[in-house]
Amino acid sequence: EAGVAQSPRYKIIEKRQSVAFWCNPISGHATLYWYQQILGQGPKLLIQFQNNGVVDDSQLPKDRFSAERLKGVDSTLKIQPAKLEDSAVYLCASSSLWAGRNPYEQYFGPGTRLTVT
Amino acid sequence: RKEVEQDPGPFNVPEGATVAFNCTYSNSASQSFFWYRQDCRKEPKLLMSVYSSGNEDGRFTAQLNRASQYISLLIRDSKLSDSATYLCVVKTNAGKSTFGDGTTLTVKP
Repeated sequence: EAGVAQSPRYKIIEKRQSVAFWCNPISGHATLYWYQQILGQGPKLLIQFQNNGVVDDSQLPKDRFSAERLKGVDSTLKIQPAKLEDSAVYLCASSSLWAGRNPYEQYFGPGTRLTVT
Repeated sequence: RKEVEQDPGPFNVPEGATVAFNCTYSNSASQSFFWYRQDCRKEPKLLMSVYSSGNEDGRFTAQLNRASQYISLLIRDSKLSDSATYLCVVKTNAGKSTFGDGTTLTVKP
């Protein structure tokens, strides 16, 4: 079974530029998550989708971050304009009630490492 | 105060040692609890769920104390390959997951 795919793996941009990340979850997984992980910290949930609807986006900085999950499969996360403090690894995860050892198990992609200079 | 708090460590232990990690959470509506493992520059992976009655998976034992809002992970007979960061995860009945900042373990020969 293919895992969660993310691209790009690395991105370096200057502050005030925009950037987009892409995620393809495991086939059939209805729930998709975007996390931000700053060095030395745990992943922080930015947004959670159930199919193509938003379940939780309470920690998404909506003035600069946006995310969509059209058709309930792939998802993109955009930052515009980027700030220095956005430098982090952006992790995408997916889960399904009917897969895995545990119905709440989240499967993570390899992440996109963003550096803002 | 953070919703999920862990001792960041690092814990440096010799092979064969027993080591325990603690995690406290503040949201009393939390329903599900997990330990994830994250290797350096890799993504987190589920290590084990934590059940009210406590559960064991090989050398790993997880405990939950709802009254004290406390979770623990015990690793017996540590191996070099156990070196990683261990993340405590708490999920509410509304489905929101909150990760702790992790505890770093280094097992030395």
